[in-house]
Amino acid sequence: AQRVTQPEKLLSVFKGAPVELKCNYSYSGSPELFWYVQYSRQRLQLLLRHISRESIKGFTADLNKGETSFHLKKPFAQEEDSAMYYCALLSGGYNKLIFGAGTRLAVHP
Amino acid sequence: EAGVAQSPRYKIIEKRQSVAFWCNPISGHATLYWYQQILGQGPKLLIQFQNNGVVDDSQLPKDRFSAERLKGVDSTLKIQPAKLEDSAVYLCASSPTPSTGVAKNIQYFGAGTRLSVL
Repeated sequence: AQRVTQPEKLLSVFKGAPVELKCNYSYSGSPELFWYVQYSRQRLQLLLRHISRESIKGFTADLNKGETSFHLKKPFAQEEDSAMYYCALLSGGYNKLIFGAGTRLAVHP
Repeated sequence: EAGVAQSPRYKIIEKRQSVAFWCNPISGHATLYWYQQILGQGPKLLIQFQNNGVVDDSQLPKDRFSAERLKGVDSTLKIQPAKLEDSAVYLCASSPTPSTGVAKNIQYFGAGTRLSVL
């Protein structure tokens, strides 16, 4: 079965600390993975995707096919990073996204 | 460019009543999605349209939920009759076609409609 698992509901860190939001997936085939973010009172929006291999707002994510993981990392958290983060897997031929349950990141001053 | 528009933003109804949600995708986006997001969970796809045709409705509870996109632009999602477990945020998203280039497989979300069924 195709599935995305985000094991942490809440991740609480202090400003300047490193952050790692975990995401594991189950998929037979070559996966395409995304991180979406929802800031307070804003709509869900794309943060980054693995095929772009880019860094957005200091965040990076590397696809590890051996561990079936796509963890989101940032070396120094900022208060404005506080948000809900969702890992998503592209499934099938019609651009269907399967989302994880999300992790709330809280960055304290 | 204007984003995905949804209305209403909030709706409170009693169980067994009917409700409808409206979505207007980004101009030119051929693919439209309806997701259900229950509190504490990630969004779950209910139905996906390519222009005005349905390409995936495998998780749509068809005994009570229906959706249409008659002219291949805006869409409505209806629940009739509503149950308590339908309380959720209903998200609409759209993506461009053809799904190639820098916009490949990116979905753009509306602000959602929060439904409370009492």
